[in-house]
Amino acid sequence: NAGVMQNPRHLVRRRGQEARLRCSPMKGHSHVYWYRQLPEEGLKFMVYLQKENIIDESGMPKERFSAEFPKEGPSILRIQQVVRGDSAAYFCASSPNLESSGNTIYFGEGSWLTVV
Amino acid sequence: DQQVKQNSPSLSVQEGRISILNCDYTNSMFDYFLWYKKYPAEGPTFLISISSIKDKNEDGRFTVFLNKSAKHLSLHIVPSQPGDSAVYFCAASGGSGYSTLTFGKGTMLLVSP
Repeated sequence: NAGVMQNPRHLVRRRGQEARLRCSPMKGHSHVYWYRQLPEEGLKFMVYLQKENIIDESGMPKERFSAEFPKEGPSILRIQQVVRGDSAAYFCASSPNLESSGNTIYFGEGSWLTVV
Repeated sequence: DQQVKQNSPSLSVQEGRISILNCDYTNSMFDYFLWYKKYPAEGPTFLISISSIKDKNEDGRFTVFLNKSAKHLSLHIVPSQPGDSAVYFCAASGGSGYSTLTFGKGTMLLVSP
């Protein structure tokens, strides 16, 4: 499967625990994006990463959220001390190695986080 | 402040007829526009895109029209099929030098047999 791979698909965490969501981009893609969809809302940009670099994190909450895309391995979105309001679908997307606008980005199937 | 707006939360169309989904944007720096289709519990699937240098792009049953002066784009699906029933998201990028997308809230399309 050459698509964007996300895991886990579903994750349940108690308040105060940590959530880690993983994303492997499409083959040949080196740009990764994380989006969040809250209930009844559209997709909101969170962060844009290239290998070992955070390019734009303007959509990330200031606290508890972090993202990385190491040289080896998947991109990880980490949420510390989760609260009920973090319950959402988190989508990862990737695009080719072209530093310009006008690229189509391709999404994974999403990770659904439920905080109880 | 929403830079990409889809003012119709839902749309119902009969099978075989045309579906027209609308999208407005406010940021004049946007120069690339995309439509995605999303089924429940799945990720958005890319449908069709258009660059600001064009006013129309067609791919099979799907056509996207762009009116830059009005900052408006629309997606036409003809003929509509029951399998087209999904949420359609309009998205835009540009001005930042990279491909980060700004999405609308989506329009749920229901195509009835």
